[in-house]
Amino acid sequence: GAVVSQHPSRVICKSGTSVKIECRSLDFQATTMFWYRQFPKKSLMLMATSNEGSKATYEQGVEKDKFLINHASLTLSTLTVTSAHPEDSSFYICSAIPIMDRSGNTIYFGEGSWLTVV
Amino acid sequence: KQEVTQIPAALSVPEGENLVLNCSFTDSAIYNLQWFRQDPGKGLTSLLLIQSSQREQTSGRLNASLDKSSGRSTLYIAASQPGDSATYLCAVDNYGQNFVFGPGTRLSVLP
Repeated sequence: GAVVSQHPSRVICKSGTSVKIECRSLDFQATTMFWYRQFPKKSLMLMATSNEGSKATYEQGVEKDKFLINHASLTLSTLTVTSAHPEDSSFYICSAIPIMDRSGNTIYFGEGSWLTVV
Repeated sequence: KQEVTQIPAALSVPEGENLVLNCSFTDSAIYNLQWFRQDPGKGLTSLLLIQSSQREQTSGRLNASLDKSSGRSTLYIAASQPGDSATYLCAVDNYGQNFVFGPGTRLSVLP
């Protein structure tokens, strides 16, 4: 089946540095990918919608200058957490919709990335 | 605005028991509903996807049902095993092709 790969699966970074998380669709092309974040003891929340070749659409309350999203190709979207702080420590996950899925019935999730800012 | 809740928040059962996890959503106009499993420190694993036109899906010991009109879904786990211990999340797709997630149910199956 279709696979969405996230890298890294775990990352530890120092406060003030930036860290990039990649989301790749391995065997399909996706014009749209979504990024979610999981807050402690809460569920996953949509952060932004990433569209290939255009700017991402951010959800209310998400700082676009802090969470930079780049959807440079039909198989890759990246989330860069800039000037990371300990409160940015979280579980980040992406999902992708195959271009060829005209019904829109399928959406694939990556396995997620655990970010710890120390 | 779609809201998803899950009951119970946590559940501890002895091995071998059959159990039911509940998911409720406020807006019945959903495209589909999906159940996930999340292991501590690890990523999400998709378990079952139910389209809005379907009433249930089965995979092995798992059975998920969907009642759109009442805004409910259940995940039934038969003959639970310690390896089933994880957090189970349900998520609904509101035609926006992004998902609204519930808070999850933390399941512990005791040997």
